[in-house]
Amino acid sequence: AQKVTQAQTEISVVEKEDVTLDCVYETRDTTYYLFWYKQPPSGELVFLIRRNSFDEQNEISGRYSWNFQKSTSSFNFTITASQVVDSAVYFCALSEGRWDDKIIFGKGTRLHILP
Amino acid sequence: GAGVSQSPSNKVTEKGKDVELRCDPISGHTALYWYRQSLGQGLEFLIYFQGNSAPDKSGLPSDRFSAERTGGSVSTLTIQRTQQEDSAVYLCASSLGATSTDTQYFGPGTRLTVL
Repeated sequence: AQKVTQAQTEISVVEKEDVTLDCVYETRDTTYYLFWYKQPPSGELVFLIRRNSFDEQNEISGRYSWNFQKSTSSFNFTITASQVVDSAVYFCALSEGRWDDKIIFGKGTRLHILP
Repeated sequence: GAGVSQSPSNKVTEKGKDVELRCDPISGHTALYWYRQSLGQGLEFLIYFQGNSAPDKSGLPSDRFSAERTGGSVSTLTIQRTQQEDSAVYLCASSLGATSTDTQYFGPGTRLTVL
């Protein structure tokens, strides 16, 4: 069965520090997709990244980077030089590569960036 | 608008009443998803539409919940005889296609409070 675990319920860091959000997933499929979403205080979910299971190349987008490791079933998300605007709940999600599949979300990590 | 819209943004109802939540997906998106986010919980998948049909109804929590989509566009989620445990934010998402390669874009949600 699919499962996504975000062990960190809540994290607080001081602005400009780097922070890594952990995500561990379980799936029996060899084809699957991993996602990260941000939910700021406004509540609206914002898509950040999608990664398929065949592409283990790490990705960097500005201050954001993602480390996908199939060997440990992890898809961790790092924010470098954090800013107050990064304060949000971050969800990691998984879906398998079937046409009718659904996204399974982790419970989210609430990130507080302190000024 | 360019994004997914949902109405109402907030709904307060009395226990036992029926409520109807509406989702307008992004124009041209064939897939539409409903999720629920309860206080302290992660995101919970409810139902998915491909066009007007719903191949996956496994996430609906009870037979009080139903959803329909007409014309391959607008969808309504109906909750009959609401209970206090139905209080949550109901999120709608749409994607261009039905596969997991298609990113889901979320609406702002409807916050339902059952008194």
